[in-house]
Amino acid sequence: GENVEQHPSTLSVQEGDSAVIKCTYSDSASNYFPWYKQELGKRPQLIIDIRSNVGEKKDQRIAVTLNKTAKHFSLHITETQPEDSAVYFCAATTGRYNFNKFYFGSGTKLNVKP
Amino acid sequence: NAGVTQTPKFRVLKTGQSMTLLCAQDMNHEYMYWYRQDPGMGLRLIHYSVGEGTTAKGEVPDGYNVSRLKKQNFLLGLESAAPSQTSVYFCASRGGVRTGANVLTFGAGSRLTVL
Repeated sequence: GENVEQHPSTLSVQEGDSAVIKCTYSDSASNYFPWYKQELGKRPQLIIDIRSNVGEKKDQRIAVTLNKTAKHFSLHITETQPEDSAVYFCAATTGRYNFNKFYFGSGTKLNVKP
Repeated sequence: NAGVTQTPKFRVLKTGQSMTLLCAQDMNHEYMYWYRQDPGMGLRLIHYSVGEGTTAKGEVPDGYNVSRLKKQNFLLGLESAAPSQTSVYFCASRGGVRTGANVLTFGAGSRLTVL
């Protein structure tokens, strides 16, 4: 099966700085890569995703990049704010028309210091 | 529209006891999943279902059983609980091919402690 590795496990940044979280995957057939944010005591929620036919996707202060050759993808958060503090999970999944199993990374705890 | 509802939210069991976690969704989703979340290990897939009456094993299925008798419900059972099953359990669902929805909608989680 797929193996998703995520780094770093914890990340502290000053408010206004950028944060980057990286993930690698093992299955070259993986073609959909979502990112979920989990605030303390809350459920995970999707913040951005990317398909394998796209190299980069942006949504305001967050962006995701994908390098299929190297089998890694990254989450970029610019101008971080205290409300960005949370645990972030990357995931990978495969499926030609649909996706069955979602494999998650181990999570990154982001702390944005005011 | 409640989304995904998990019951119970908290439960303490003794080793060897059995219990069932219930996941209910009102979005007419085809796919449903059970994950466990442990510190430093992310979300690990226990079992999943691609439709009513179907179930399949995930990454860590041992010690758990599931059933999907109705489309809206996905039950996770522990026949003989062990301390290693102490965890937070999340149910999730998503639409199928016709909706094209890839987004997982998660429940609020169920915290299980096995003594």
